[in-house]
Amino acid sequence: KNEVEQSPQNLTAQEGEFITINCSYSVGISALHWLQQHPGGGIVSLFMLSSGKKKHGRLIATINIQEKHSSLHITASHPRDSAVYICAVRSNGNKLVFGAGTILRVKS
Amino acid sequence: DTAVSQTPKYLVTQMGNDKSIKCEQNLGHDTMYWYKQDSKKFLKIMFSYNNKELIINETVPNRFSPKSPDKAHLNLHINSLELGDSAVYFCASSHGPSGEQYFGPGTRLTVT
Repeated sequence: KNEVEQSPQNLTAQEGEFITINCSYSVGISALHWLQQHPGGGIVSLFMLSSGKKKHGRLIATINIQEKHSSLHITASHPRDSAVYICAVRSNGNKLVFGAGTILRVKS
Repeated sequence: DTAVSQTPKYLVTQMGNDKSIKCEQNLGHDTMYWYKQDSKKFLKIMFSYNNKELIINETVPNRFSPKSPDKAHLNLHINSLELGDSAVYFCASSHGPSGEQYFGPGTRLTVT
């Protein structure tokens, strides 16, 4: 079992829908990252958080350290949000351990 | 004004060859990384350098050797390439080992 589990693996949404992607982890962490990988392959860091909640535009990331769980929310989704969203946790030795990713497709 | 750059973007080579991938960052970061993304799109850390010192060295075959000539560069040399080395290799950098990471565009390596 992977130390970082994401759900769902695949998600198709209609434009305008509210989207939630979940991440659960089984190890002690110092921080959690949400990354976005576009179809062209480039990876962009969306959030790095160790507690609470962060917001950037239509994206919101939350983390519950006690429950070892994080969520990434996208409000008013748009086709340009279509990408792979990857959760990664920073564990011992500052090493990032990645989830398998969630493939999001937003239809217009 | 590219932040993290990698060369080449694509690399096609035959089994047994030796090849290098170069990475440069102009963000003033002191920590750099190499990641491998396999065919299932799963990312794994390979190496990390902080101020030119190796700080993370995952279970990677000895055929892979990173080299950091200065804080802005981290190159990856691969000897005796094998079919299983085919993947996309990403370089990244951060301010300190626990900082937010900035990724390069990736190098798609295909070994035939």
